Parts: sequence; structure tokens; C-alpha cells
Amino acid sequence: GENVEQHPSTLSVQEGDSAVIKCTYSDSASNYFPWYKQELGKRPQLIIDIRSNVGEKKDQRIAVTLNKTAKHFSLHITETQPEDSAVYFCAARNTGNQFYFGTGTSLTVIP
Amino acid sequence: DAGVIQSPRHEVTEMGQEVTLRCKPISGHDYLFWYRQTMMRGLELLIYFNNNVPIDDSGMPEDRFSAKMPNASFSTLKIQPSEPRDSAVYFCASSLGQGSYNEQFFGPGTRLTVL
Repeated sequence: GENVEQHPSTLSVQEGDSAVIKCTYSDSASNYFPWYKQELGKRPQLIIDIRSNVGEKKDQRIAVTLNKTAKHFSLHITETQPEDSAVYFCAARNTGNQFYFGTGTSLTVIP
Repeated sequence: DAGVIQSPRHEVTEMGQEVTLRCKPISGHDYLFWYRQTMMRGLELLIYFNNNVPIDDSGMPEDRFSAKMPNASFSTLKIQPSEPRDSAVYFCASSLGQGSYNEQFFGPGTRLTVL
């Protein structure tokens, strides 16, 4: 089955700096890679996703890159703000529509 | 659409009692997933259904856990008997399996505490 690894587990950045979270996956057939943001006590919510036929996608301050050859994908948040503080999860979906989640990154943006 | 609906939002029970968690997926979604989230293990997939049929239940921790989906708009996750180590937040999620949009939408979760 698929195995998704996520690093780092915790990340602290100064407000205005960039944050990068990295994930690797094992199943080369995985074709969809969403990123979720989970605030304390809330449900995970999709913030950006990328499909296997695309190398990069950007939405305002957030971007995701995918390297299919190396089987890794990354989340980039620029100009971080305190409200970006949350736990971020990456995931990979296999051809059976099963989602495998990373272990999460707790991001703290220091004002 | 109201999104994925879960009930109850909070459940406190005593060890040995039966617990039933409920989920209503987004109308039209053909996939339904049950997850458990704890600090130690993160987000774990327990079981998922496609068109009301269980596809993979390998994540169900043991026989005390069971899940059903009697129709396209309702699913239950049952724990019998419950144990303190079952304390966690249980999320239900749904998605469309086919087509361009495969986003998985999560419900608000049920916070289960077993004393």
C-alpha cells in the first residue's frame, strides 16, 4: 500500500517569512495530492491540491510542487501570517480513491 | 448543501458501553471514509465505502469496531465494547470518486471520551 511521510513535524517561522513542508509517497500510481489545514478543534479543510499531470500549482500565498520522478511534493506558504498557524496534512490518493495522510506539521507563525 | 454531518459532536461514555457514531455524507458523493485522529497516531483511515459497499476495512483496529452504510445518505461506526484507548476524534469524510473534483470533505468530527 501507499506510505506517506511528512517533514518536519513542527515548524516555527517569523511572520512574513516563508514556510515549506515536504512529503514523500511510495506508490507511483498515486495521482492526486491534497493539502489540508486543521485549526485547533476544527476539521481538516482542503487548502490546495495538485494532480499527477501537473508540476506546480499556486493560489495566492500558497503553492504546491510535485516531483513525480522522486515521488515527493511540497507545500510553500509565503509571507506567512499568524492566522496560518495550524496543523497541515499532506495526502496521496491511489487509483482506488483511497487517501493516505502524512503525520502532520504543526506550523507556528510568530508575530 | 450542509456538508458532511456527524452526530453526536461529543460523546462521553464508560468503558464497556456501546458507542454509535453517525454520519451523513454530502448528497451525491459515492465515497465515504471513517478516520480516527489522536495525538499519538495522527489521522488514521479506519474504513471506506464506495456506493455503500465496504471496500477496505483493514484500518479497523479490532473486532470491537464495526461500520455500516445501509444507504447512500447514512453510515454508522459502532464500538462495542468501548475502551479508554478508543478515546479520539472520529471524522467522517465523503468524496466523489469519478470526475475532475475528488476533494474529500470532512465532517466536524465526534470527540469520543471513554472513561
